[in-house]
Amino acid sequence: GAGVSQSPSNKVTEKGKDVELRCDPISGHTALYWYRQSLGQGLEFLIYFQGNSAPDKSGLPSDRFSAERTGGSVSTLTIQRTQQEDSAVYLCATREGTYNSPLHFGNGTRLTVT
Amino acid sequence: DQQVKQNSPSLSVQEGRISILNCDYTNSMFDYFLWYKKYPAEGPTFLISISSIKDKNEDGRFTVFLNKSAKHLSLHIVPSQPGDSAVYFCAASPISSSNTGKLIFGQGTTLQVKP
Repeated sequence: GAGVSQSPSNKVTEKGKDVELRCDPISGHTALYWYRQSLGQGLEFLIYFQGNSAPDKSGLPSDRFSAERTGGSVSTLTIQRTQQEDSAVYLCATREGTYNSPLHFGNGTRLTVT
Repeated sequence: DQQVKQNSPSLSVQEGRISILNCDYTNSMFDYFLWYKKYPAEGPTFLISISSIKDKNEDGRFTVFLNKSAKHLSLHIVPSQPGDSAVYFCAASPISSSNTGKLIFGQGTTLQVKP
């Protein structure tokens, strides 16, 4: 079956512009996570969705970052007024809902802020 | 505060030999541990996991060992193959009242298996 799909795969934007990153989860996966990987770093947790609600937003680095999920399916991560330090690979992962089971990752969106 | 640490950024082994990747953690509330493999331009793919009630889990060439008293995790790959060359991430999941199931990742170790 289809895996986690993310779009775009690459995005280059100018500093100060807003960007939207999209995640299409595996069908039926109720839990959805956003992570980012900066150059040479590990994966940094950003936000967690269970259905359409986000009970854990503790990883969002600033109020320029927001995310939503609609219909318990597609999620959008929005970064407003992008800065150069936002450059990273943004990864989406989903899980069927069972605790203590692996996350399934998409291939990510590589964001470059110039 | 790095709760999951992979202190070796890179590792190089000869094909056919054993690869041992190490991971340390600081949070005693972690109860579920995983290893992921990542190729360039792809997302991480799940490799193997272990629950804190076990000290070993094996899947083919891959074995994960957990030493709870030392808060140490290791991944053994035997025999190593050139296709195993990738970045390996250790991850852990904490018990928490919110029980979000989020994973905390280490910084990764780049494994190179030489033919």
